[in-house]
Amino acid sequence: SQELEQSPQSLIVQEGKNLTINCTSSKTLYGLYWYKQKYGEGLIFLMMLQKGGEEKSHEKITAKLDEKKQQSSLHITASQPSHAGIYLCGADPTGNQFYFGTGTSLTVIP
Amino acid sequence: KAGVTQTPRYLIKTRGQQVTLSCSPISGHRSVSWYQQTPGQGLQFLFEYFSETQRNKGNFPGRFSGRQFSNSRSEMNVSTLELGDSALYLCASSLHPDSYEQYFGPGTRLTVT
Repeated sequence: SQELEQSPQSLIVQEGKNLTINCTSSKTLYGLYWYKQKYGEGLIFLMMLQKGGEEKSHEKITAKLDEKKQQSSLHITASQPSHAGIYLCGADPTGNQFYFGTGTSLTVIP
Repeated sequence: KAGVTQTPRYLIKTRGQQVTLSCSPISGHRSVSWYQQTPGQGLQFLFEYFSETQRNKGNFPGRFSGRQFSNSRSEMNVSTLELGDSALYLCASSLHPDSYEQYFGPGTRLTVT
């Protein structure tokens, strides 16, 4: 989706390393969602950010929303092989359609 | 609570044929959305249904249609299949129509030959 660009496109990290994935919107963000997809499977909801400056954590994953920059970041601390997959941000900037980001493929090497 | 189920999981069709995919949402979820995922275009929104009414539709041709039944189960139909329709079709359900905390099924992988 051109509305939501993610970087990097792919990431290969050693187990135990920290990493950050970014999601930038071309439109004003009123809320942002993070999902994870294991290859070829359905998506799993991770978390939702609704207010500028909001930060949420779930286990070793932390996400922040910067409304002014129209950006969100997802940070994984001490990565594990179970963190491997495709991370997707998503939002509905127009009010009538949910857009997913371009996706970030994460590989964690044991 | 059972998750979102989609049938069939895999499908092979020939160009020009039509196909119907089925989705059963989580019990109590009344909103169902459909997405198409391809390597080139990524995940794209097809349509959303709530209370048997289509609320929103993505930028897909009229060959793509859907419906929702009174028990919230949903079907999508693609007529006159093209090679480019080969994709993973994902269904997601949510409690409310304006909630994007969606729960996805495993998808139906459609291959058009």
